[in-house]
Amino acid sequence: DSGVTQTPKHLITATGQRVTLRCSPRSGDLSVYWYQQSLDQGLQFLIQYYNGEERAKGNILERFSAQQFPDLHSELNLSSLELGDSALYFCASSVGTGINEKLFFGSGTQLSVL
Amino acid sequence: GQSLEQPSEVTAVEGAIVQINCTYQTSGFYGLSWYQQHDGGAPTFLSYNALDGLEETGRFSSFLSRSDSYGYLLLQELQMKDSASYFCAVRDRSGNTGKLIFGQGTTLQVKP
Repeated sequence: DSGVTQTPKHLITATGQRVTLRCSPRSGDLSVYWYQQSLDQGLQFLIQYYNGEERAKGNILERFSAQQFPDLHSELNLSSLELGDSALYFCASSVGTGINEKLFFGSGTQLSVL
Repeated sequence: GQSLEQPSEVTAVEGAIVQINCTYQTSGFYGLSWYQQHDGGAPTFLSYNALDGLEETGRFSSFLSRSDSYGYLLLQELQMKDSASYFCAVRDRSGNTGKLIFGQGTTLQVKP
């Protein structure tokens, strides 16, 4: 158990809908990262927050947004969903943004858009 | 930007040794990491190399050559449970972000 909690584990929805994925980082970790993993693909970086502020953005679609709350949990919002958004979405956390810090990943949310 | 290349699949037999290579291109280098992922589960950290040479952790070792922009993960005494995907990753240089950029992953299949 990495200490990172993601909910829900599975999400099935229809095209055009909006969903929210939730992540609670490990106790004490200030950085939260969101990654997308499509079938047989690598981990694509979406966005990072550090202590409540956006720190880095990857190839995140405009239909996607995220935030980190004062209690450090984070939410990833996906709207106007398309079939191609079906993927495994991982949240990871680390203590800070140091170059040698390792990331701790949650178990992911499997999103299926039908 | 950053890019990493690793083989898509590797097959080996139980008890053998396997090496998974990774070459990278990055505008600034802050070390090479390796993560393991079992069948869609949570990726877990295996190793980190910031300097040239070999780092050993039990049956797993990781090597880095910064001059060649190359590293590898060496798995010895393979066990069936080592069947998984292995990702190399580098830190992004832009700003003080700490984000990791991952390769596409290598699927290791261990056969009896």
